[in-house]
Amino acid sequence: AQKVTQAQTEISVVEKEDVTLDCVYETRDTTYYLFWYKQPPSGELVFLIRRNSFDEQNEISGRYSWNFQKSTSSFNFTITASQVVDSAVYFCALKTDTGFQKLVFGTGTRLLVSP
Amino acid sequence: DTGVSQDPRHKITKRGQNVTFRCDPISEHNRLYWYRQTLGQGPEFLTYFQNEAQLEKSRLLSDRFSAERPKGSFSTLEIQRTEQGDSAMYLCASSLARGNQETQYFGPGTRLLVL
Repeated sequence: AQKVTQAQTEISVVEKEDVTLDCVYETRDTTYYLFWYKQPPSGELVFLIRRNSFDEQNEISGRYSWNFQKSTSSFNFTITASQVVDSAVYFCALKTDTGFQKLVFGTGTRLLVSP
Repeated sequence: DTGVSQDPRHKITKRGQNVTFRCDPISEHNRLYWYRQTLGQGPEFLTYFQNEAQLEKSRLLSDRFSAERPKGSFSTLEIQRTEQGDSAMYLCASSLARGNQETQYFGPGTRLLVL
């Protein structure tokens, strides 16, 4: 079975603080794909990143960075110098080769960035 | 390049009524997905199509739910004899599948309220 755990329900920070959103996944598959999506108040899920299980390189995109560690089954997401526009619910998701094509989502972490 | 669109954005109905939602995927995307999201939860997979073929259905998709994708373009999701428990956000996503390496792009969702 596949499972994604986002233990942090809500995080509040002040603008310009760095914040890390945790994601722990479970799968027995050796090939899998991990995703992060952002859901602003408007409701639309916005794709942020996809990482394949065979590529453990960390990635940085502007203020966003992702730390993929297979040893701990974690795929954490860090926002550097947070901004009010970063306020949203962030979802981590998992797709496996044996899980057909569906995404399995965590319960999300609500990030509140105050000025 | 337009994104995934969904119609209507909001729907209020009375228990027992039928409702139909429409999803228009990104042009040339061959896969189309439906998910349901309830308050405070991550999206849950309902069903998906590859072109016009419906390839997988979740156990969440009771016999009151039916989805179609005629001609492999837009898709409709119909709920018959709605129940209050059907109240949720219904999300559509599409992808251009190249083997198992794909990214699902989501629409803005249809928020359903059953009174």
